[in-house]
Formats: sequence, structure tokens, C-alpha cells
Amino acid sequence: EAGVAQSPRYKIIEKRQSVAFWCNPISGHATLYWYQQILGQGPKLLIQFQNNGVVDDSQLPKDRFSAERLKGVDSTLKIQPAKLEDSAVYLCASSHTSYGRGTDTQYFGPGTRLTVL
Amino acid sequence: DAKTTQPPSMDCAEGRAANLPCNHSTISGNEYVYWYRQIHSQGPQYIIHGLKNNETNEMASLIITEDRKSSTLILPHATLRDTAVYYCIASYSNYQLIWGAGTKLIIKP
Repeated sequence: EAGVAQSPRYKIIEKRQSVAFWCNPISGHATLYWYQQILGQGPKLLIQFQNNGVVDDSQLPKDRFSAERLKGVDSTLKIQPAKLEDSAVYLCASSHTSYGRGTDTQYFGPGTRLTVL
Repeated sequence: DAKTTQPPSMDCAEGRAANLPCNHSTISGNEYVYWYRQIHSQGPQYIIHGLKNNETNEMASLIITEDRKSSTLILPHATLRDTAVYYCIASYSNYQLIWGAGTKLIIKP
């Protein structure tokens, strides 16, 4: 079974630039999560999708961050414009749960390490 | 969600059992205890979870005290590849996971 795929693995941009991350979840997984992980801390949930609908985006800085999950499969997370404090690893995870706000076992991708200069 | 407390770091000799403690004194009756780990430069990996009973799988054992206020993750024969940050999370089933800073476990040869 293929795991969660993410790209790119690394990205370096200057502040005020835009950046996008892509995630392909495990086939058949209804729930998709985007997390932000700052160095030395645990992951922080940014947004959770159930199929192509948003379940929880309460911690997403909506003035600069956006995410979509077209057709309930792949997802993209965008930052526009980036700030220095956005430097972090962005993790995508998926789970099989098909109802409610799921915390069924989450499977994580390798993450994208973003550096904002 | 109940808050969990873990030591920031631990060492263990290769081949020995690694016992990672977690305190969750305010856990409610319906909250599960989940363990994940994160090897350097990788995404977190699910290990095990439990509610009241002790649990065992191919990776580890989870021992939950009778009052459910604390638990211990046991890696029976630690190898160098078990060096990672281990996260203990208390959460309701089908609810958001709140991640702390975890325990950095270093396996020494």
C-alpha cells in the first residue's frame, strides 16, 4: 500500500512570496489533515477535510493560508504572502474515518520543510 | 482533551526495554491514550492506543494504570532505529489530536 505522498520535500522562499504544497493521501482515506510543525514542537493541526469538505479550520490563519481538496482526493495548501514565522515543516496525514471529526489512525507523509528568508 | 506530561528526554541501552512514561491525571473516562513516534526528518508514525486495558502489538506494549492517570509505553528490545520523539496524546475517539512536545528517546549502543 502506497503511503501519503507530499511535494516538494524542501522549499526556500523570501518573505512576502507565495508557496504551495501538494499532498496525495492513501487511496480510500476519507479524512485528510494538514499540520504545521515548528522546530522542537509537536504538530499543530491547521485544517481537516472530510472528503472534499472542511471539518475544522479553526487554527488556519485564513488571512494568508488557504487549502483545498478537490474531488476529495489530493489537496493543496497555499501560503500567500509568507512570513518569517511560517518557517516550519508542513505535514499531511490521512485516515480512513468516514464520519465525524475523525482521529482514526493517522498516516503521515514525510512533510515539506519550508524556510522563509 | 486531557493534557499529558512526558519527560523531555530519555536514554536507553540498545537491546534493553525502553519504558516511556506519560502522565494524564485529568483524563476522562472516554478518552483514549494514543502513542505516536517521529523519527528525525520523517512524519509521525502511529504506534498503539488503548482505553482501559493493556494493549500489545508488534511494535510495543501499552500499560495503563487502573486509575488511568498514567501510562507507560514499552519497547521490549530497543534498537538504534527506535531513536525518535515519542508523543503521548489523550483524546476522545474521533476527535482532534492535540500534540505536546513529546519525549526524545535516544538509544545508545
